[in-house]
Amino acid sequence: EVQLVESGGGLVQPGRSLRLSCAASGFNFDDYAMHWVRQVPGKGLEWVSGISWNSGSKGYVDSVKGRFSISRDNAKKSLFLQMNSLGAEDTALYYCVKDVGMLGRSAYLDYWGQGTLVTVSS
Amino acid sequence: EIVMTQSPATLSVSPGERATLSCRASQSVSSNLAWYQQKPGQAPRLLIYDASTRATGVPVRFSGSGSGTEFTLTISSLQSEDFAVYYCQQYNNWPLFGQGTKVEIK
Repeated sequence: EVQLVESGGGLVQPGRSLRLSCAASGFNFDDYAMHWVRQVPGKGLEWVSGISWNSGSKGYVDSVKGRFSISRDNAKKSLFLQMNSLGAEDTALYYCVKDVGMLGRSAYLDYWGQGTLVTVSS
Repeated sequence: EIVMTQSPATLSVSPGERATLSCRASQSVSSNLAWYQQKPGQAPRLLIYDASTRATGVPVRFSGSGSGTEFTLTISSLQSEDFAVYYCQQYNNWPLFGQGTKVEIK
């Protein structure tokens, strides 16, 4: 059974940093691209970032470019999102999501974690 | 930059009736279009990929159609468990979601 378990969310002050983690199990983690998708409570889904199976390709939504950095550790079956210079607009539930392919682009998303909530507030 | 537009924002339907949801891309995404269902308090669930292929375990009352810029998700006879929010997502490049359509009980 595929499982994606996010952690690292919480309350953080504006301008500070936070690092999200996702522990994957139930599939060959290093065969698939992975993504972070966020959702402001009560609002829609926003793709944040994606990474290919070998970390060779990474993508970001414009609003986080230069502030967020995605990475993965295939040996530990883990996905990460380093979030710097956080603002109120980054407050959301962050989902770890599995891609059906290897590259991150040009594929849909088949398994989602339950999310970790990030709240940016003073 | 591609923009995904879903309509309507809210669809009020009676149980047993047909629901038709639309998704429009600002430029062609070929058939690289997926649909997801999200119920309150739950993560999204993949329903349809490649515009018209049902994901594993998805009931046959869900069907997808379209290509290029115009796509439709049809629920042939709404069941109580189908009342939810539905999102389209293009994957012609990095993922991009529409803003969602809420299907509510009429």
